[in-house]
Amino acid sequence: KAGVTQTPRYLIKTRGQQVTLSCSPISGHRSVSWYQQTPGQGLQFLFEYFSETQRNKGNFPGRFSGRQFSNSRSEMNVSTLELGDSALYLCASSLMDTYEQYFGPGTRLTVT
Amino acid sequence: KNEVEQSPQNLTAQEGEFITINCSYSVGISALHWLQQHPGGGIVSLFMLSSGKKKHGRLIATINIQEKHSSLHITASHPRDSAVYICAVHTGNQFYFGTGTSLTVIP
Repeated sequence: KAGVTQTPRYLIKTRGQQVTLSCSPISGHRSVSWYQQTPGQGLQFLFEYFSETQRNKGNFPGRFSGRQFSNSRSEMNVSTLELGDSALYLCASSLMDTYEQYFGPGTRLTVT
Repeated sequence: KNEVEQSPQNLTAQEGEFITINCSYSVGISALHWLQQHPGGGIVSLFMLSSGKKKHGRLIATINIQEKHSSLHITASHPRDSAVYICAVHTGNQFYFGTGTSLTVIP
C-alpha cells in the first residue's frame, strides 16, 4: 500500500497570505489528523476528520481550518499567515481516531 | 502544566546499552502512542498501548494505567536507534504530546 502523501513538501509564503496544504491518506483509512510541529512548542494537534466531518479540534485560532473529501483526502488552510505559523505540518491517517497513526512526510512552511 | 511529561530530554548511550525513556501523563486516555522521529522530520509510530506491554524486536513498551506512566525500552541499542522519541496520548477527542527524548547511540 502507498503511504500517506502530503503536498507540497516545501512552501514559502509572505505574511498576510493564505496557504492550502493537501494530505492523501492510506487507502481505506477514513481518519485524517493534522499536526503542527515547531522547535518551541513541539508537536501540537490541530484537528481530526473522519468521514468528511471534523470530529476533534485542538487549541488553534480560527485562521486554521480544514476539510475532508469523500475520498478521505484532506486539506488544511491557514489564512492571514503570521511569522509564527512557520512550522512543519504533518498529517496522519488511521482506520479510526484512536488507532495507530501513519504519518506523512510533512509540509515545511516558511512565512517571511 | 504539560499534560505529557517525558524524561530524560536528552540521552547518550554506547552501542549495546539498555535504554529506558519514561512518560507520565495527567489526563484520562484512550490510548498512548510512542513515536520515533528521525532527522528530516519523518515520524513513525512504534507502539500504541492501552494496557500492559508490547514488544517489537528490540523495543518494548509498557504502560501502567493506574500510575499514568509508560516506559519505552530499547535493548542492545544501535546507532540506527538515534532519533527523537515522542510519547503521545489520545484522550478520546484530542492528542497531547511530550516534548520528546533525543537519543544518540555512539558506536
